[in-house]
Amino acid sequence: DIQMTQSPSSLSASVGDRVTITCRASQSIGRSLSWYQQKPGEAPHLLIYGASTVQSGVPSRFSGIGSGTEFTLTVSSLQAEDLGTYFCQQSYNTLYTFGQGTKLEIK
Amino acid sequence: QLQLQESGSGLVKPSQTLSLTCAVSGASILSGGYSWNWIRQPPGQGLEWIGYIFHTGSTYYNPSLRSRVAISLDRSKNQFSLNLSSVTAADTAVYYCARAAERVAATSFDSWGQGTLVTVSS
Repeated sequence: DIQMTQSPSSLSASVGDRVTITCRASQSIGRSLSWYQQKPGEAPHLLIYGASTVQSGVPSRFSGIGSGTEFTLTVSSLQAEDLGTYFCQQSYNTLYTFGQGTKLEIK
Repeated sequence: QLQLQESGSGLVKPSQTLSLTCAVSGASILSGGYSWNWIRQPPGQGLEWIGYIFHTGSTYYNPSLRSRVAISLDRSKNQFSLNLSSVTAADTAVYYCARAAERVAATSFDSWGQGTLVTVSS
């Protein structure tokens, strides 16, 4: 299995802050990386695929970068509605695996 | 607009079989280019991919669950189903169905059901 490790596990930030979440893969996965947001009590929602392509309808403040084993998700100016848990997911091999999640709280 | 809706028993006894169905509207599960997936999330924990089925009926399962899982299509009802046998308390989770698409070198889950909680308890 390819292990995905996110950091930090949780963070607290203020509205307007720039927030970065990191996801590391246990082996190179090229750009086969997607990011999801999960709000409390809801299903996950696709934000970014192919490491950096923003899904249609997702606000432009969300961006992704990376390749190989290290990837980052950035929220350029945090909004109150961005609270939730963020997950990365690899699809380099068919045993799809997710990171453990980063819980984002608003101060 | 694509919608997925899970249904099935919310309480299953240990050693019995968990059965869930995902009804798809707004798209045909027989159209190519997508896989139809089951993913689960134990309470307060992360996400675990269970397996997928293509419109052809071909399947692929998480090896950790392969001996107990089966995913099938019901073409006439535009839905797909999950059976997980010999369940234990460790199978207690919210179960999601989701569509996956391959784009830009990644396969991502672009549409999800709302999820259904299944509790394994006697």
